[in-house]
Amino acid sequence: DAGVIQSPRHEVTEMGQEVTLRCKPISGHDYLFWYRQTMMRGLELLIYFNNNVPIDDSGMPEDRFSAKMPNASFSTLKIQPSEPRDSAVYFCASRLMADTQYFGPGTRLTVL
Amino acid sequence: TQLLEQSPQFLSIQEGENLTVYCNSSSVFSSLQWYRQEPGEGPVLLVTVVTGGEVKKLKRLTFQFGDARKDSSLHITAAQPGDTGLYLCASRSGGYQKVTFGIGTKLQVIP
Repeated sequence: DAGVIQSPRHEVTEMGQEVTLRCKPISGHDYLFWYRQTMMRGLELLIYFNNNVPIDDSGMPEDRFSAKMPNASFSTLKIQPSEPRDSAVYFCASRLMADTQYFGPGTRLTVL
Repeated sequence: TQLLEQSPQFLSIQEGENLTVYCNSSSVFSSLQWYRQEPGEGPVLLVTVVTGGEVKKLKRLTFQFGDARKDSSLHITAAQPGDTGLYLCASRSGGYQKVTFGIGTKLQVIP
């Protein structure tokens, strides 16, 4: 299996622009997680889905952030409008039931 | 949400040395996981410990879960440059669906 795939790997944008991060989970996995990692706060869970349904979005920082999972093989995390404090590495991870969680390589976002 | 404290935050050692990093919480862990994250990559699960007092070994890595299940340690024997990375501990909650991570210990092993 190719593992969790994320795109783009790097994104540089200007404040106020819309940013869309993409994730393809491992085929057959029923859980998908979005995390954000910064030096100051470490790795934080933003939202997770089970069978394409959002279960817990309590980690989403504010209304500027939204996530969707239209089907079992694709999810997006959107930031609109983006702000410099959103600069971080965003990870997607997937898991089958209570099994091991597998992380993608991350998207490094820089908002100028 | 359970808060996890990891120490030290940074560690730089020479190849061949031994080291121990720690993960602590004020509350009891139901289970605890250790991950390693290399630069430019996502975290990779190393081990899960569940039972108080449990010790697991993974080659030169020894993981210990405290008897009271409030702390854990990771000991590396004869560190190698390939051990360089960020070591994260994590606990599961929310019916085991959510994973909360510590800030991590950044290890550098100098050849």
